[in-house]
Amino acid sequence: ETGVTQTPRHLVMGMTNKKSLKCEQHLGHNAMYWYKQSAKKPLELMFVYNFKEQTENNSVPSRFSPECPNSSHLFLHLHTLQPEDSALYLCASSQERASNYGYTFGSGTRLTVV
Amino acid sequence: GESVGLHLPTLSVQEGDNSIINCAYSNSASDYFIWYKQESGKGPQFIIDIRSNMDKRQGQRVTVLLNKTVKHLSLQIAATQPGDSAVYFCAENGSGTYKYIFGTGTRLKVLA
Repeated sequence: ETGVTQTPRHLVMGMTNKKSLKCEQHLGHNAMYWYKQSAKKPLELMFVYNFKEQTENNSVPSRFSPECPNSSHLFLHLHTLQPEDSALYLCASSQERASNYGYTFGSGTRLTVV
Repeated sequence: GESVGLHLPTLSVQEGDNSIINCAYSNSASDYFIWYKQESGKGPQFIIDIRSNMDKRQGQRVTVLLNKTVKHLSLQIAATQPGDSAVYFCAENGSGTYKYIFGTGTRLKVLA
């Protein structure tokens, strides 16, 4: 375990479903991130939270809705997704939202939209 | 635009040999670089980092080399083991921001 826990590990959902991904870290980090990892593509930054405040929305469609109730928890709410949204969704955290701190990643949620 | 590239999708190495994985970055303003290892079914795991004021940094069995002149980064793994089999990718911090730019990755296969 890296200290960043994501649930569920796998999720299959229909295009009309609503589901949520959860991320939890107890590393004392203040910045949390959602990334999308698709096959043969680089990691795509989706959202950034710093001290619970959203500081970045990287042009993500509104069918993805993040929530950060505190510095330890991060959610990604999903609704009316498309098959092309199928991917591995990774949560990461870092000590601060700074340029010289590496991330600690969770194991991801493998999402399949049918 | 900015890009970090790992152009070789698969690298096969005999167990016990040394592995070298390369990465080209495009932003000369990047001042912090990280190598990650991603095993099947897991998230990326930090291996080693290097700052732009250094040319070389060594860890346990791993060495990262940075050539700022040609904007090239490499990861060397000594005495490659089966447990090293994974996808490796590098990341740069762009223009000194927190928004890291990740490469697509190179799959390392260790042959017994």
